[in-house]
Amino acid sequence: QQQVKQSPQSLIVQKGGISIINCAYENTAFDYFPWYQQFPGKGPALLIAIRPDVSEKKEGRFTISFNKSAKQFSLHIMDSQPGDSATYFCAASIHNNDMRFGAGTRLTVKP
Amino acid sequence: KAGVTQTPRYLIKTRGQQVTLSCSPISGHRSVSWYQQTPGQGLQFLFEYFSETQRNKGNFPGRFSGRQFSNSRSEMNVSTLELGDSALYLCASRPGSLSYNEQFFGPGTRLTVL
Repeated sequence: QQQVKQSPQSLIVQKGGISIINCAYENTAFDYFPWYQQFPGKGPALLIAIRPDVSEKKEGRFTISFNKSAKQFSLHIMDSQPGDSATYFCAASIHNNDMRFGAGTRLTVKP
Repeated sequence: KAGVTQTPRYLIKTRGQQVTLSCSPISGHRSVSWYQQTPGQGLQFLFEYFSETQRNKGNFPGRFSGRQFSNSRSEMNVSTLELGDSALYLCASRPGSLSYNEQFFGPGTRLTVL
């Protein structure tokens, strides 16, 4: 029943590098695309979200790129830091209801 | 403002038993959603309650049920536990008045079924 496919499963990046995580969705009715960050022992926390009427959204070092025609969206983390090491989930929903999550990407940023 | 709290944090049960998990949302939030997180299936939506009514439901068997009280606190019940129910159960709250309100997750309840 997975409707959101996320890749890669794991990612290792050097400090200062760019981390890129990709997601693809199937349901064209989805209209809300958030990214969550989860640290061990904690619940996911909203990082940044986008709606399909824009192609890019930037908040600090985090950018979402959205391609509606390809049904894909990605998270870019610029100047990656060891403190960014966490599991990242993309998600999609209709009006923020019944959220469907990707499988997650474990990011490790090496100092 | 206090965050979303979940109790208990850890629980061990045996097959066939039932379990009740509790979630207290952020003050003022009227919507509570429940999710199951497992290594194999990832994060899966269970159901959402708003003003004591189930508003949305995921694709889980009827053994999984929930309710919400007038103070917005919510409980989730799983009956006739199976080994595959071992998971981290997360609840998330949001104001509920607008569709795009951010939802805030609690730390989860880690359920182990033996």
